[in-house]
This record gives sequence, C-alpha cells and structure tokens, in this order.
Amino acid sequence: NAGVMQNPRHLVRRRGQEARLRCSPMKGHSHVYWYRQLPEEGLKFMVYLQKENIIDESGMPKERFSAEFPKEGPSILRIQQVVRGDSAAYFCASSPGTNGGYTFGSGTRLTVV
Amino acid sequence: TQLLEQSPQFLSIQEGENLTVYCNSSSVFSSLQWYRQEPGEGPVLLVTVVTGGEVKKLKRLTFQFGDARKDSSLHITAAQPGDTGLYLCAVLRNTGTASKLTFGTGTRLQVTL
Repeated sequence: NAGVMQNPRHLVRRRGQEARLRCSPMKGHSHVYWYRQLPEEGLKFMVYLQKENIIDESGMPKERFSAEFPKEGPSILRIQQVVRGDSAAYFCASSPGTNGGYTFGSGTRLTVV
Repeated sequence: TQLLEQSPQFLSIQEGENLTVYCNSSSVFSSLQWYRQEPGEGPVLLVTVVTGGEVKKLKRLTFQFGDARKDSSLHITAAQPGDTGLYLCAVLRNTGTASKLTFGTGTRLQVTL
C-alpha cells in the first residue's frame, strides 16, 4: 500500500518558467492538502482539495498559483512565471476524511535559478 | 502572530541528554498532534493528544497535553542521534468550510555523539 507519492522530488526552473508538482494520494484518500515550507521554517497551508473541487485555497497566493485534483489522476500544484521567492519544499498530504489522519509525501524541492 | 509558538527554536545536545520542547498557544484545542520531520522528508505523525492533562509515551518520548488544552510538551529521555529532526506541533482548525492542519513554528533538534 503505497503512501502519498510526490514527483518530482527535485525541480529546477529558471525565472519565468512554469513549475508543475504532482501528488498521488494514498489509496482510499479523497482529501488532498498542499503545504509550503521555506528553509528553516514550519509548514504553511496553501490549499485543500477534494476530487474536482477546491474546498479552501486561503493559503495560496492569488496570482501565479493554481491547484487541481481531477476525477482521474494526481493532484497538480501549478506555479506560473516562477520567481526566486517560490524556491521552497512543497508537501502534499492526503486523508480519508476531515478529522485528521494526514499522511504526508516526501515533498518536491523547487529551486528557481 | 503565530497560532502555535514552539520553543526553543533550535536545540543542540549530546547523546544521552534529556530535553523538553514546548508548544504554546492562547487558544483552546480539542486535540493536538506532534510530528517529526527528518531532513529531506515529509512530517510523520508521532502522537495525538485529546484530553487535558493527558500523558502519552512512545518509547523514550513523553507527550503531555496541558490541563487547559492550550499547550503541550514533548520530553525526550536519553536522546540519540536518530532523534535528530524538526519537531512540529499541529492542530486541526475548523474554518467553517473545512478542517485543516495548522503547524507550529517548529523546534529543530540536533543530537550529536
């Protein structure tokens, strides 16, 4: 029973390019959460999705960032026109319901050069 | 202001020493979780405490939830290099539309030989 799978593990993008981060939740989990972690800091909530719906995107910047969780396939966090300040580790978590039980992936480390 | 303040921010100790880290808030919570995050990985749940005054033990780790359910502590006995990592407390917050996990500021622990 695979855990939460994130890919790629490492992603390097030049300023202005697009970054696409993928997250496949644990089997049976229909709730997906994205978090961002800057160096030497804790995790900050970005967005919470269920299949085909964004439930809470209060932590996501209004511009350049978007997320989706289609009926089929992984959840995608998309960052357009990346800037150096987007460099961070992005973690995905999934849960079977709304009462916790989060399982985190190993993260995608984005470096913008 | 942070919902959950953790202290100390950094801690470097030698193998065999004891230590305590703290998670404090002015808010009351129905439950609180502790996670450990190792370098290059996502957070892993250690324990959930739900009752005021509750004490839970996990081998050499002792977790306590404050009587008023506003704070928590994690005590490690005879620390080992394998305990090195970022320790995060977290709570589930209900924001009306959804519940989401909110993390503390973290305590970075380094245990040396």
